[in-house]
Amino acid sequence: AQSVSQHNHHVILSEAASLELGCNYSYGGTVNLFWYVQYPGQHLQLLLKYFSGDPLVKGIKGFEAEFIKSKFSFNLRKPSVQWSDTAEYFCAVNAPGGNNRLAFGKGNQVVVIP
Amino acid sequence: DAGVIQSPRHEVTEMGQEVTLRCKPISGHNSLFWYRQTMMRGLELLIYFNNNVPIDDSGMPEDRFSAKMPNASFSTLKIQPSEPRDSAVYFCASSLQDGRGEQFFGPGTRLTVL
Repeated sequence: AQSVSQHNHHVILSEAASLELGCNYSYGGTVNLFWYVQYPGQHLQLLLKYFSGDPLVKGIKGFEAEFIKSKFSFNLRKPSVQWSDTAEYFCAVNAPGGNNRLAFGKGNQVVVIP
Repeated sequence: DAGVIQSPRHEVTEMGQEVTLRCKPISGHNSLFWYRQTMMRGLELLIYFNNNVPIDDSGMPEDRFSAKMPNASFSTLKIQPSEPRDSAVYFCASSLQDGRGEQFFGPGTRLTVL
């Protein structure tokens, strides 16, 4: 079974600081990878996705993620956060042939202090 | 595109009452997922359908929960009888059955059982 690990569940940082959230998965085959963001009181929205090709993926709002196959990782980064980036961030993994089911990590609660 | 539509957005009911949550997936999507989100347990997959057929309902908490998808554009999640511990936000998501796994989430139904 797939599992997705996200560490440092609670992250507090100041505006303009850099953010990096780790994501590791256990599935050994070809995977599709996602980061979703959930702003307070809202639903999950897609931040970025990786299917194939360039392992450095650019998403919305200045976020990017890097797929490192050898490390089974898909870490999310943003060089300079804003107060509006306060949200919960979920990493998710899908294995092709897995009926479109996603395995989600437990999420990172990020609070940006103005 | 209207996105995934859920109704009601908020539901307050008393213990023992029947609750029905509704979901309309994005037109053309043939996979549908029901999730529950709470502070204690995070995001949990309850059940999902492919082409209106339930594929995996192992996440359904108990027999009080049931889900149906009578056609490609409508699904219901029913709780009968409801209990206070069912209080949560229930999300519906849909996707194409293309093996990529990208899911689009609805706005959720916030259920409070008194």
